[in-house]
Amino acid sequence: KNEVEQSPQNLTAQEGEFITINCSYSVGISALHWLQQHPGGGIVSLFMLSSGKKKHGRLIATINIQEKHSSLHITASHPRDSAVYICAVRWRVNTDKLIFGTGTRLQVFP
Amino acid sequence: DSGVTQTPKHLITATGQRVTLRCSPRSGDLSVYWYQQSLDQGLQFLIQYYNGEERAKGNILERFSAQQFPDLHSELNLSSLELGDSALYFCASSVGTHTGELFFGEGSRLTVL
Repeated sequence: KNEVEQSPQNLTAQEGEFITINCSYSVGISALHWLQQHPGGGIVSLFMLSSGKKKHGRLIATINIQEKHSSLHITASHPRDSAVYICAVRWRVNTDKLIFGTGTRLQVFP
Repeated sequence: DSGVTQTPKHLITATGQRVTLRCSPRSGDLSVYWYQQSLDQGLQFLIQYYNGEERAKGNILERFSAQQFPDLHSELNLSSLELGDSALYFCASSVGTHTGELFFGEGSRLTVL
């Protein structure tokens, strides 16, 4: 079993739909990152969370430490949101190692 | 633009060869991280340097080595290359060690033939 599980693996949506991507992890963490990787390959950090909720534009990320679960929501999705979204966790114990999920491939159609 | 610069963007080489990937972190960032992304393994953490010193090590092969120089740029050296080393190699930087947002470079795509 992977220490970081994402669901779904693939997601297609129509423009304007509300999208949710989930991340569950099995280790104690100090922080969780949501990353976006576009088809060209570059990676952009969207959020870093250790508790609660963060919002940036149409993106919202939440984390529940007790349940070891995080969600990334995209409101009013747009074709330019098409990318792979990757969840990564930083172990709690004094380390900067990141453990990555396998990613969720999102395609938004006009 | 993340402010992190990686060179080269693409590299094609043969098995058994040695290559060096270079990373310049964002201005002011002291930590540099190296990651490997292959088709079958996804993203994996390789190694981290903070202000010139190694701070954390992940799944880095003995054939691979890295260092961070006084000007804070970092190099990842890959030697005795094998076909399976073909991957995207990402560098990221952050201000500190245990907290803070990560800023990723565009990656170096290595193809070993």
